[in-house]
Amino acid sequence: QKEVEQNSGPLSVPEGAIASLNCTYSDRGSQSFFWYRQYSGKSPELIMFIYSNGDKEDGRFTAQLNKASQYVSLLIRDSQPSDSATYLCAVNPSGGGNKLTFGTGTQLKVEL
Amino acid sequence: ETGVTQSPTHLIKTRGQQVTLRCSSQSGHNTVSWYQQALGQGPQFIFQYYREEENGRGNFPPRFSGLQFPNYSSELNVNALELDDSALYLCASSLAAGQGGSPLHFGNGTRLTVT
Repeated sequence: QKEVEQNSGPLSVPEGAIASLNCTYSDRGSQSFFWYRQYSGKSPELIMFIYSNGDKEDGRFTAQLNKASQYVSLLIRDSQPSDSATYLCAVNPSGGGNKLTFGTGTQLKVEL
Repeated sequence: ETGVTQSPTHLIKTRGQQVTLRCSSQSGHNTVSWYQQALGQGPQFIFQYYREEENGRGNFPPRFSGLQFPNYSSELNVNALELDDSALYLCASSLAAGQGGSPLHFGNGTRLTVT
């Protein structure tokens, strides 16, 4: 079982729609969770992080965490073509220390 | 505020050679982590340095080694390069290696090609 699982996609959504990206993790003691955006050939860029169960909103982005289900998601409202990228879910495992475990990423395509 | 900078941006080496990659951490950040990202994969944790000491290591062989300097900059050294070492090498800095985990900020990476 992979430690952090993401659907590789591609996930295609029309411009203006809501994109929903999902991630599950196996380490129940994981403490903090991160979403990174990575454009082709570039390095990952931090979008959001979440520590507590529930929702956290930042502009068009909402991160959702459910520790009981070991599930974290990212919603992107009003999707734009510039949002087309690979989205990486990362988990800070039990013990912390920022030694993140990443999923393989979900490719998002926002179509005109 | 200066972000994380890495050098060089691209590098081509031959199998069996050695390589050194460099990273300057973001101002005020005392922890540096290195990740390897193969094509189509997520980044894989190599190791972390905190106050010039190795503070955790992923599943990488000893030919991957590192250093952190008093100014918190860091080096990643890879000996006896193999073809599978071809990847994007990412350096990330953060405030502290604490339990909560402060967000990692990545540099632009070094693209290593081993032929």
